[in-house]
Amino acid sequence: AQSVAQPEDQVNVAEGNPLTVKCTYSVSGNPYLFWYVQYPNRGLQFLLKYITGDNLVKGSYGFEAEFNKSQTSFHLKKPSALVSDSALYFCAVRGSGSARQLTFGSGTQLTVLP
Amino acid sequence: KAGVTQTPRYLIKTRGQQVTLSCSPISGHRSVSWYQQTPGQGLQFLFEYFSETQRNKGNFPGRFSGRQFSNSRSEMNVSTLELGDSALYLCASSPGQGDRNEQFFGPGTRLTVL
Repeated sequence: AQSVAQPEDQVNVAEGNPLTVKCTYSVSGNPYLFWYVQYPNRGLQFLLKYITGDNLVKGSYGFEAEFNKSQTSFHLKKPSALVSDSALYFCAVRGSGSARQLTFGSGTQLTVLP
Repeated sequence: KAGVTQTPRYLIKTRGQQVTLSCSPISGHRSVSWYQQTPGQGLQFLFEYFSETQRNKGNFPGRFSGRQFSNSRSEMNVSTLELGDSALYLCASSPGQGDRNEQFFGPGTRLTVL
């Protein structure tokens, strides 16, 4: 069965500093990896995805993520955090065939302090 | 393009009742998925529909069911409601059933079971 782990429930970072939200995954075959963000009382918004190719993926709002196959990780990064980045972030993995459903991590609450 | 819409946004029911939630996908999207989000269990996959056919189903009891209409709109039904069914129910759509497609989420329906 496929799974996603987000080891940190909470990440705090000062505005202007770089941020990293960690994600590791387990899936059979080639992984399709996604990051989503959720603001209070809202649905999930797509940030970026890794399907194949370049290990560094760039997405919306200045976010990027690095795919590392050997460490089965897909960490979300941003060079300079904004207070408005404060939200709940979810990593998700999708396999193929019988494992094609989207499986989410438990989420990481990011707080950017002014 | 209008986003994914879900109705109603909020719902209060009592144990034993049944409920129907509705989802209208982005125009042109033919795949619709449903998720349950709770503080304890996080985001869990319920089912996925494509062209009126259920393509995948999560690990939920038979009280949870769904369907998709020819215009791609989808409904999910929960019968004999239990307190533990209180959750945010999210609908997501994507253009096709390809594993590489990101999903676009609606704002959710907040169901409270008393």
